[in-house]
Amino acid sequence: QQPVQSPQAVILREGEDAVINCSSSKALYSVHWYRQKHGEAPVFLMILLKGGEQKGHDKISASFNEKKQQSSLYLTASQLSYSGTYFCGTEWADTGRRALTFGSGTRLQVQP
Amino acid sequence: KAGVTQTPRYLIKTRGQQVTLSCSPISGHRSVSWYQQTPGQGLQFLFEYFSETQRNKGNFPGRFSGRQFSNSRSEMNVSTLELGDSALYLCASSLPGTAYEQYFGPGTRLTVT
Repeated sequence: QQPVQSPQAVILREGEDAVINCSSSKALYSVHWYRQKHGEAPVFLMILLKGGEQKGHDKISASFNEKKQQSSLYLTASQLSYSGTYFCGTEWADTGRRALTFGSGTRLQVQP
Repeated sequence: KAGVTQTPRYLIKTRGQQVTLSCSPISGHRSVSWYQQTPGQGLQFLFEYFSETQRNKGNFPGRFSGRQFSNSRSEMNVSTLELGDSALYLCASSLPGTAYEQYFGPGTRLTVT
């Protein structure tokens, strides 16, 4: 039961905002967000725990809606460096702690 | 602080052979997880080790195995290779705890011919 990410791809101009969603059909314990640039390893962005508060740093923030079992990643005033594929990784609430199930990714391209 | 290292970086093997991949975590990180990344299936969890014990295993056949040593270094082994095993194999290390950040290595690109 892989989480579903949307959109699959998005193209932005520098300075524009974007929202990436991650939805699960199972109850979640946590949601992890990673960004992977082409040919590189995924890099950790943030983690949201069940019952935790919205996280953020710089112009990237995220929220976790427990009722909907959904997390959203917000990128504001996008920069060229934001380009890459964004993955959400989920931990189920009942089992599989520390066994992340990743979504299929959202490809983000920021153009000048 | 040195990052996660993986060796070898590239590997070409023939169907039916076996392969061993190595991962050295960041100093002080005792948890090591392995992932398989392919264009079709994306990032899939293989297993996680902590203090030499496998704590979690993903939905992969028994041909995929791993182990962790007392210095936290980890190896994964794939026996009887199949063409579908061609992938980027990533390992990630982290500290214990619930709000953990995984640091990924550069990966080993395995090609099975």
